[in-house]
Amino acid sequence: NAGVTQTPKFRVLKTGQSMTLLCAQDMNHEYMYWYRQDPGMGLRLIHYSVGEGTTAKGEVPDGYNVSRLKKQNFLLGLESAAPSQTSVYFCASSLGGRKQETQYFGPGTRLLVL
Amino acid sequence: GEDVEQSLFLSVREGDSSVINCTYTDSSSTYLYWYKQEPGAGLQLLTYIFSNMDMKQDQRLTVLLNKKDKHLSLRIADTQTGDSAIYFCAESKAGNTPLVFGKGTRLSVIA
Repeated sequence: NAGVTQTPKFRVLKTGQSMTLLCAQDMNHEYMYWYRQDPGMGLRLIHYSVGEGTTAKGEVPDGYNVSRLKKQNFLLGLESAAPSQTSVYFCASSLGGRKQETQYFGPGTRLLVL
Repeated sequence: GEDVEQSLFLSVREGDSSVINCTYTDSSSTYLYWYKQEPGAGLQLLTYIFSNMDMKQDQRLTVLLNKKDKHLSLRIADTQTGDSAIYFCAESKAGNTPLVFGKGTRLSVIA
């Protein structure tokens, strides 16, 4: 099993450009998450999904959209990138629906917005 | 205030014990977790403890939970240079809501 994979690993964007980050998991997990990690801020939840076709806002959803058309994929979109969105983005997944929920993380996508 | 709080930095000498502390605010939390993040990588689960337990030991790792004070600690015995990483505390809230993570403690091990 590959676990959780993220594409791309690194990207440079100009302000105003759009892009989509792809997360894929092969563990048949119901729940998937997108986080951003910034120095001194820890992990902040952007959006999450508790099943195919569902999405929910996290702590910092503004400027991002997500879609979960297939159970194994969770896409994070930036419609008009801003320098404040320069960050490392992590995707995670978990089985879902249990009190003990281990989250499995991808390796991250480093995004630089100029 | 923050849901989960941790100190940001800890520095120890190789061979010593490291103790990383965490406080949380939700008394209904059922599970508490410690994750490790090595440089350039995602987070990996180290261990977790159920809220009705006081202690959990796993090889060099000891987790202590003081539910009354909402205090969680991770002790790493005989700390090695490979233990240098960021350690995140996380709590599970009631219902199907995502984990809440602390900001992470950066552990530096000096040889």
